[in-house]
Amino acid sequence: DTVLTQSPALAVSPGERVTISCRASESVSTGMHWYQQKPGQQPKLLIYGASNLESGVPARFSGSGSGTDFTLTIDPVEADDTATYFCQQSWNDPPTFGAGTKLELK
Amino acid sequence: EVQLQQSGAELGKPGTSVKLSCKVSGYNIRNTYMHWVNQRPGKGLEWIGRIDPANGNTIYAEKFKSKATLTADTSSNTAYMQLSQLKSDDTAIYFCAIPLIIRGGDYYVMDAWGQGASVTVSS
Repeated sequence: DTVLTQSPALAVSPGERVTISCRASESVSTGMHWYQQKPGQQPKLLIYGASNLESGVPARFSGSGSGTDFTLTIDPVEADDTATYFCQQSWNDPPTFGAGTKLELK
Repeated sequence: EVQLQQSGAELGKPGTSVKLSCKVSGYNIRNTYMHWVNQRPGKGLEWIGRIDPANGNTIYAEKFKSKATLTADTSSNTAYMQLSQLKSDDTAIYFCAIPLIIRGGDYYVMDAWGQGASVTVSS
């Protein structure tokens, strides 16, 4: 299975720019997607196809990358962005998720 | 508005089975795949499998092939997942999820999720 590696946690101040990385153990082309999950809630799709912003998601969120290295950027970060962010690949079977990056605000 | 309404929390004893449901409103499940994903306490997300409700075809992640059984009832627009031979490490939140829009032929981008159903396995 394709393993997705994310850094476990980040802490930033409101108004700053933050990048969350996801590295795949093999190429996933642009079949990479990003979700936001707040405590006690279901995941919410933010970015699909590596760089496409889901409808209704603020333009502060953006995604980039292809192959094995991907980035989710939030600029500027707001207090409401406190959450865990998961990457998911759909290029290889089975689809897999990263372990998540917990974003905390200082 | 599309809603996925999951059944309530389940408490199961080791060795027994539970069956979870996911009722969809505002969207015909025949037009998509229904995915199931779990999340163990304090852990990440894990894809269990998916069903094509239009024909009942299923695909499972290898580790869930003998654990989960996915079915769907298009007349009630509801999907089900049965978990069998419960063990303590089946304790998790289980989500159903669907792609509302099939983006570039990718049926694995999940843009609508149920609220999750807690399964606790304990004797």
